[in-house]
Amino acid sequence: GEDVEQSLFLSVREGDSSVINCTYTDSSSTYLYWYKQEPGAGLQLLTYIFSNMDMKQDQRLTVLLNKKDKHLSLRIADTQTGDSAIYFCAESSLTGGGNKLTFGTGTQLKVEL
Amino acid sequence: DTAVSQTPKYLVTQMGNDKSIKCEQNLGHDTMYWYKQDSKKFLKIMFSYNNKELIINETVPNRFSPKSPDKAHLNLHINSLELGDSAVYFCASSQHLDRDRVRQETQYFGPGTRLLVL
Repeated sequence: GEDVEQSLFLSVREGDSSVINCTYTDSSSTYLYWYKQEPGAGLQLLTYIFSNMDMKQDQRLTVLLNKKDKHLSLRIADTQTGDSAIYFCAESSLTGGGNKLTFGTGTQLKVEL
Repeated sequence: DTAVSQTPKYLVTQMGNDKSIKCEQNLGHDTMYWYKQDSKKFLKIMFSYNNKELIINETVPNRFSPKSPDKAHLNLHINSLELGDSAVYFCASSQHLDRDRVRQETQYFGPGTRLLVL
């Protein structure tokens, strides 16, 4: 079955690094995604990583993938108050000709001054 | 220019009513989706259409009927609304791409429709 787990809350101080973790179960997932949802808003794609990669860096964002342990993490360097949001990881799987995203439970990131 | 748009943004209605939510994308994508986000922020796919053809139908009550008049539109009609239908409904779209000979379809989401059933 598909089950994507995340810790529910993370609180950091402005300027520190944030690390949001995710575990997934579908070993056939070819792409894994990170989305950001600000209060009352839709989902914004942050980044994604192909399953044959270990790491991907995009400005302040670093994604690490441990395929053996099915563990994905998102590191945000120099966290700012504008980074406060819910962060969702998602794994993709092909089903019936379509690409289905299974989302994690979401991690609420709170950035304190 | 909005890439994926939904109407209405808010919808408050009585139990038992029938309502529709509309979604349009101007990205030229060939696949569209409906997701439901419950009060605990849990997101789950409901339907997916590719070129107007239903390709994903998760365990969703028959009261929910998606309709895709063309590739750019995917509407969601809900009959006999129940209290448990209260949620945020997100539309998304994607385009099939082959990267490294593997299928990759990044999904872009609309702003959501907040449905409250009283």
